[in-house]
Formats: sequence, structure tokens, C-alpha cells
Amino acid sequence: DFQMTQSPSSLSASVGDRVTITCRATQDISKYLNWYRQKPGKAPELLIYGASSLQRGVPSRFSGSGSGTDFTLTITGLQHEDFATYYCQQSYSIPPTFGQGTQLE
Amino acid sequence: QVQLEESGPGLVKPSETLSLTCTVSGDSVNSGDYYWGWIRQPPGQGLEWIGSMYYNGNSYYNSSLKSRLTISIEPSKNQFSLKLTSVTAADTAFYFCARSPYYDSLTGFYKFQPVFRNWGQGTHVTVSS
Repeated sequence: DFQMTQSPSSLSASVGDRVTITCRATQDISKYLNWYRQKPGKAPELLIYGASSLQRGVPSRFSGSGSGTDFTLTITGLQHEDFATYYCQQSYSIPPTFGQGTQLE
Repeated sequence: QVQLEESGPGLVKPSETLSLTCTVSGDSVNSGDYYWGWIRQPPGQGLEWIGSMYYNGNSYYNSSLKSRLTISIEPSKNQFSLKLTSVTAADTAFYFCARSPYYDSLTGFYKFQPVFRNWGQGTHVTVSS
């Protein structure tokens, strides 16, 4: 299975801040990398797919980049609803696997 | 606007079978455009993909669960279901149903793409006697 490692595991920030979360794959996954936001008590919601494509309806303050093994999610101008847990997920190989999560607080 | 909703018992005894159903509205499980699948999350932990199925029966299962797992689709009810046998406390989790496209946007090929665009709200299952 492809292992995904996120850093940091937790991150302190304030409304209006710019934050970056990184995700590293153990093997080359091209651009098959997706990002999700999970608010407490809710299901995850897709933010970014294909490493850099914004899911329809997701605010443009979210952006993604990277290819191969190293990827980043950037949130520019944090809003209250962004204080949540973020997961990366590779869709290159079966089984799809998730990172361990980054809690933004 | 597609909606997915999980249902099933919230408590299952060890060694018994966990059975959940996902009811789909706003789309057809027979549409051919999507795979229908399950993901779980133990309380306070990360996400684990369980498996996904296409309308024609083609399926992908997580090998760690494959020997205990059955996913099926019921077109007449516009539902799909999960059965996990011989459960233990380790199967205690939130269970989510999810939809993922039968299309790889990076290559333009039609294939299972485990990008989970739509999720149910989740249902918690506890395995305990």
C-alpha cells in the first residue's frame, strides 16, 4: 500500500492567516492526490483533486500543488469554518490511502 | 444534487455481521458514471477505504478486509450495502458511504477513480457484547 505522511500533525493559526500543509507519498503518485476538509462531527468534503484542481463550489482561498511524491495544500485567508482536520489521499493505486490528518486549530 | 444516507444498527455483537445500507437520492446507482463505496473512521482516528462497487458488479475491496467483506448494489431501491462478517472491537468506527467517478480526469480514461466527491453524513457502529 502507498503510505501518505502529512506534516504538521497539528497547526495553530488565526483568522486571516495563510497556512500550508504538506503531504508526502512513499512512491511516485504523479498528480493523483486529493485533499479533504473534515469539520468536527461531519463527513469529509473534497477540496482539491488531481493535486491542483479545485472541486466545484469550494472557495478559491484553497489551492493545491505538487506532483510525484510531494504535495501542498495552501489556505490563503483562513476563515472560521476552516478550523478543522485536513486529509490528503492518493488515488493512484488501490487501495486508496489517506494521510493521518492535520488538525488546524 | 446527489445525497447519500447511511442506515443500519448502531450496535453489533462481536463475531456477528455488520450490515449497513446507503440510500441514494438525486442520482441512480445504475447511472454508470460512478462507483459507490464505503469508508470508515475509528473515533478520533484517520480514514480507511473499505471498498467500492460499480453498477455492473465490478468491485474493488481493501485487501485487509476482503475475506470478511461484501458490497452489493440494489438498483430497485437505489441503494447499496455493506456486510462485514466476524466483527471485532477493531471494527468500531464511523462508517461513511461515498460516490467516486468512473472517469480519470488526468488521463481522460474511463476507469475507477477513488476521488470521493460526495459523502453521506456517516453512521457510528459499535462492536460490543
